[in-house]
Amino acid sequence: DTAVSQTPKYLVTQMGNDKSIKCEQNLGHDTMYWYKQDSKKFLKIMFSYNNKELIINETVPNRFSPKSPDKAHLNLHINSLELGDSAVYFCATRGGVTLNTEAFFGQGTRLTVV
Amino acid sequence: AQTVTQSQPEMSVQEAETVTLSCTYDTSESDYYLFWYKQPPSRQMILVIRQEAYKQQNATENRFSVNFQKAAKSFSLKISDSQLGDAAMYFCAYSRDDKIIFGKGTRLHILP
Repeated sequence: DTAVSQTPKYLVTQMGNDKSIKCEQNLGHDTMYWYKQDSKKFLKIMFSYNNKELIINETVPNRFSPKSPDKAHLNLHINSLELGDSAVYFCATRGGVTLNTEAFFGQGTRLTVV
Repeated sequence: AQTVTQSQPEMSVQEAETVTLSCTYDTSESDYYLFWYKQPPSRQMILVIRQEAYKQQNATENRFSVNFQKAAKSFSLKISDSQLGDAAMYFCAYSRDDKIIFGKGTRLHILP
């Protein structure tokens, strides 16, 4: 039973399209993240949610919109996809009151924009 | 803003030998957490080891250990008795409050 599950694992789409990536966790964690890993493997935080509330919103184009319908889900919707959006997107979760625990990652979604 | 620097983009080590990966970070905080993650070709992010900044004792997990120098803001990872399965990208990470900030990673090759 996968702790943090992302769908789809691979996504190929044309420029200008709108797409969503879904993330579900069964760990009961309060905090969920979206990270972007570029072609050079650099992992950059995009968003952080705590109990469905947006906590961190790094400098991300507003074409990216996270949505948390409940504590177990954090989806990422991307409008008007661009070539530069091609990357691996990771969902991660974290529990604990003091956030001294590690983050648990999904398997990543490789997005290719053509 | 906090930053994490891994100065070695790539490293190689002979199987069964010991290798040390470097990591430095910048913060004005005194209470925080540090992690090393491993990312094999499968893309999965796997926690290797964790260190709390308030603990002076260096963390160890089997063949993996860290050298945590708080004053120098240094957090290196030592892998002993390297195995072929250790080949991966290794990421150093700093955490305080809700944020986890990653370094750019070190690709580790294991030579048979």
